[in-house]
Amino acid sequence: GNSVTQMEGPVTLSEEAFLTINCTYTATGYPSLFWYVQYPGEGLQLLLKATKADDKGSNKGFEATYRKETTSFHLEKGSVQVSDSAVYFCALRKAAGNKLTFGGGTRVLVKP
Amino acid sequence: DTAVSQTPKYLVTQMGNDKSIKCEQNLGHDTMYWYKQDSKKFLKIMFSYNNKELIINETVPNRFSPKSPDKAHLNLHINSLELGDSAVYFCASSQEALRDRAGYTFGSGTRLTVV
Repeated sequence: GNSVTQMEGPVTLSEEAFLTINCTYTATGYPSLFWYVQYPGEGLQLLLKATKADDKGSNKGFEATYRKETTSFHLEKGSVQVSDSAVYFCALRKAAGNKLTFGGGTRVLVKP
Repeated sequence: DTAVSQTPKYLVTQMGNDKSIKCEQNLGHDTMYWYKQDSKKFLKIMFSYNNKELIINETVPNRFSPKSPDKAHLNLHINSLELGDSAVYFCASSQEALRDRAGYTFGSGTRLTVV
């Protein structure tokens, strides 16, 4: 079946540090890939997505590139802020009508 | 205007009770979902409805019964609540008719605590 594996957290960084959260997936074909963010006490918000190989999704300074050869979709941000402290979820779905499958989430804590 | 709204936001109840959580979306989406998030933040899909028709029913105890009176509403009724039902329940919606494998829009969650 389909699955998503993320690095376990928590990831603790200082402000302006570089952030990478690793995500790899298992699925046949070409799923769409997503990153969601959950701020404390809130629901999940779509951060970015990519629908085909070599696509780069970007939003709010975050980027992730769909790498078919390594089945990865790592999330990066060049300079994090305290407001980026949240739980980040990588997810995939294979086709319309199929469910969105999430990784286990990675908690990120940015200290001033 | 809240796109996907859930009520209540918090629910504390005793074991054995029956409770309902309501969800409404004003996005015009045709598909709605219930997800359960446990204490370790792991998210698992429970149900999915497309135009009021059940299309995903994961391995969930039959104490959980979803109901979709129309495509803008998806409610979750839970009978005989158990301690292990304590979690955050998220409603979500998407527009599947576009067939573009879009992401979902999530509500802000209902934190259920069974005591």
